[in-house]
Amino acid sequence: QKEVEQDPGPLSVPEGAIVSLNCTYSNSAFQYFMWYRQYSRKGPELLMYTYSSGNKEDGRFTAQVDKSSKYISLFIRDSQPSDSATYLCAMLISNFGNEKLTFGTGTRLTIIP
Amino acid sequence: EAEVAQSPRYKITEKSQAVAFWCDPISGHATLYWYRQILGQGPELLVQFQDESVVDDSQLPKDRFSAERLKGVDSTLKIQPAELGDSAMYLCASSTRQPNTEAFFGQGTRLTVV
Repeated sequence: QKEVEQDPGPLSVPEGAIVSLNCTYSNSAFQYFMWYRQYSRKGPELLMYTYSSGNKEDGRFTAQVDKSSKYISLFIRDSQPSDSATYLCAMLISNFGNEKLTFGTGTRLTIIP
Repeated sequence: EAEVAQSPRYKITEKSQAVAFWCDPISGHATLYWYRQILGQGPELLVQFQDESVVDDSQLPKDRFSAERLKGVDSTLKIQPAELGDSAMYLCASSTRQPNTEAFFGQGTRLTVV
């Protein structure tokens, strides 16, 4: 079993819809939870990171963490064609300078105009 | 805006040949990572540097892969000999924060081994 599981999709939704992207994890030592966006043939870029359980909002994006269920989500409101990309969840253990960052496999999202 | 530079962007090589990738991190970033991303999968860490020292190379196939960051700035990742299964995107990332909650990635080198 992988430490981080992510539905690879692909996921297609109409413009303006709310998108929900999800990851589950098995390692309770993960402390930080991140979402990266990766456009085709580009490197990933950080969207958001969270530390504790709960919600964190940034514009049209909301990251949600439920540590008790080992489940994280990214919600995109009012989705735009420019949101079409692969979304990667990533989780970090940081321990006295030693760090381990683990990525999910990514969900490929297409927003249909 | 500062960014991580990687070259080449694309590389096609024959199996058993040697290939090298170069990365120049954002100025001042002490931590540098090399990741491999196979199509349809998430990035997997190959090696992590803190300044010029290797912090983690547990997933680096050391029989054929090597990495160096001699002056603690730019870095080179080498594969010798290349195998068909090495075809992937090789991503370099750098970070200055501890904990590393924001790694900046380069555009990657797409390697095809034929």
